[in-house]
Amino acid sequence: DARVTQTPRHKVTEMGQEVTMRCQPILGHNTVFWYRQTMMQGLELLAYFRNRAPLDDSGMPKDRFSAEMPDATLATLKIQPSEPRDSAVYFCASGSFHSFGGNTIYFGEGSWLTVV
Amino acid sequence: SQQGEEDPQALSIQEGENATMNCSYKTSINNLQWYRQNSGRGLVHLILIRSNEREKHSGRLRVTLDTSKKSSSLLITASRAADTASYFCARRSVSRNQFYFGTGTSLTVIP
Repeated sequence: DARVTQTPRHKVTEMGQEVTMRCQPILGHNTVFWYRQTMMQGLELLAYFRNRAPLDDSGMPKDRFSAEMPDATLATLKIQPSEPRDSAVYFCASGSFHSFGGNTIYFGEGSWLTVV
Repeated sequence: SQQGEEDPQALSIQEGENATMNCSYKTSINNLQWYRQNSGRGLVHLILIRSNEREKHSGRLRVTLDTSKKSSSLLITASRAADTASYFCARRSVSRNQFYFGTGTSLTVIP
C-alpha cells in the first residue's frame, strides 16, 4: 500500500535549535508539497517541487526555512533557528502531475513540531 | 488565507442527519477537491469536481460547484458517527499547479 512517509512524527525542541523534517514521497510521483497546519491559519502551502526542482517557495519564511529534494525519494524541510511560533504540524504530500492530467495529492501523517 | 474559506467552521449534528459544508474561493480554478482529516492524521482525498462540472456524487457524498459564485458545497447524507472529522476543500489554481486549502469545517456527528 503506497503511502507518503514522514519523519519524525513528533519533535519537541528548544528555541534556537535546528529542526529537519524528512519526507519520502510515493514512488513515481513527480510533485512534492510541504504544508504547515495551525489552528489559526489552517493549511498553508510552504513550498512545492516538480521533478525535484523547486517551483514555488513563496509561502516559506526565507530567513529560517529551507526545502530541498536531494533525490527523488527524499524531500527535506529544515528550520534553523527554530522559534516557538514555528510550532505546528508539517505535512508532506505528493502527486503525479503531467500535461495530460493528475489531480489527487496524497498526504503523509505529518510531523508534529513543538518549539519551547 | 490562501485563496478562500470553508464555512461553517464547526458543525454538530445528530447521526442520520445531513451535513452541508461550503467552500468559497477567489481565483479561477482548474478543479476543486474535498479532503477529510481525522484527528491527528493526514488528509485523505474524498472527491474531485472539475470546473466544467456542476454536481458530482460518490456514495453518500454530493458535491456541487458554482463557478459564477466561486463556491462549492459538500453534502454528506445520512451521517454516521464515523464521519466525525475536519473537511477541507482544495482549490487547484488554473495559473499554477498548486493546491490551496482553508481552515476547514470541523464536523461532529453525535451518535
